[in-house]
Amino acid sequence: DGGITQSPKYLFRKEGQNVTLSCEQNLNHDAMYWYRQDPGQGLRLIYYSQIVNDFQKGDIAEGYSVSREKKESFPLTVTSAQKNPTAFYLCASSTLGQGEQPQHFGDGTRLSIL
Amino acid sequence: KQEVTQIPAALSVPEGENLVLNCSFTDSAIYNLQWFRQDPGKGLTSLLLIQSSQREQTSGRLNASLDKSSGRSTLYIAASQPGDSATYLCAVRRGSSNTGKLIFGQGTTLQVKP
Repeated sequence: DGGITQSPKYLFRKEGQNVTLSCEQNLNHDAMYWYRQDPGQGLRLIYYSQIVNDFQKGDIAEGYSVSREKKESFPLTVTSAQKNPTAFYLCASSTLGQGEQPQHFGDGTRLSIL
Repeated sequence: KQEVTQIPAALSVPEGENLVLNCSFTDSAIYNLQWFRQDPGKGLTSLLLIQSSQREQTSGRLNASLDKSSGRSTLYIAASQPGDSATYLCAVRRGSSNTGKLIFGQGTTLQVKP
């Protein structure tokens, strides 16, 4: 079945540590996205990429970094500069054609501070 | 700046009731509007997508309407069931193409009691 796989499901970060969240899709989608979700809030866009080797900052990119070396993969690194990393992180993908193009989401990674 | 608001934040109804979830947005220049369902600890599942030129979309017991001029969308759920219990989020895509950003509301958490 085609879909988006995020790993790990749960992740714990120590002070001063960088951690990387994995996102893989086999939908052949061009665009991939990372969102952050805090309790009682909607999703906020961290980074997105519409083509391999290119990506753009979203609304809350500070303290995060990404790469897009392969079409299928869009890992997110939460750096030590992100002072409040505890949240639910969601990866999504979509095509870029015209017409109806809903976004598909992974099952998320919950990040907590030790 | 586009802002998306969902009211109410939470809703509890007995099984079998018809119900309406509301979504409002401040900027009518949208490409499309999407309704998602999110189960606890999971990602988002796309329910309905309405293009800016459309007035409504239907899927089974769900019907979504869009009134761009007033900045409103409603999600109508007929004959609610306990399995409908989840958080429902609406999101508008800014701009004039499918590459615009998605702006999410905070969600409405629905509980359907047997």
